[in-house]
Amino acid sequence: GEDVEQSLFLSVREGDSSVINCTYTDSSSTYLYWYKQEPGAGLQLLTYIFSNMDMKQDQRLTVLLNKKDKHLSLRIADTQTGDSAIYFCAAGGKFYFGSGTKLNVKP
Amino acid sequence: DGGITQSPKYLFRKEGQNVTLSCEQNLNHDAMYWYRQDPGQGLRLIYYSQIVNDFQKGDIAEGYSVSREKKESFPLTVTSAQKNPTAFYLCASSIIENEKLFFGSGTQLSVL
Repeated sequence: GEDVEQSLFLSVREGDSSVINCTYTDSSSTYLYWYKQEPGAGLQLLTYIFSNMDMKQDQRLTVLLNKKDKHLSLRIADTQTGDSAIYFCAAGGKFYFGSGTKLNVKP
Repeated sequence: DGGITQSPKYLFRKEGQNVTLSCEQNLNHDAMYWYRQDPGQGLRLIYYSQIVNDFQKGDIAEGYSVSREKKESFPLTVTSAQKNPTAFYLCASSIIENEKLFFGSGTQLSVL
């Protein structure tokens, strides 16, 4: 099956940019997704990118896709304390999820 | 408001007991999914359904069962055969298979 990998933790200061990285194995994914999960809650779709795109910008969020290296990243500009959460990337037809990156934003 | 409703939010299971987790959606989505989340881990697919009266096993279906008698509803039963059921269970739906998923708020299942 699909293998999706993410680093487990990221800590940044409020106002800095955050970059969360993800690698995947299945190159047949039509879309790749970023989800956000707050404690005790479900996953909220943040953004997604079509597999033939290199970049997508959506307000403070920028998604970069390197298909050759099967690498996906999410950049959050001007990170706020409210951005503290776990971020999951997802790929593949049956939505294989990474283990999630816990973002901690320090005031 | 359209969305996915999971109930209950917290559920406790006794040894040897079957329990059923509810998932209802009013988004008119064809596909529905059940995931299990363990602390510090990603989501693992238990079962999914692309259409009413049809469902397929995911990666960790053993000890679980589902039904899809109505488009809106996809209940998950955790049977006594599931020896390690303590986890956070998430239901999701998509308009069709392979389209973006929308999630419910989850059910935390614990063993007494």
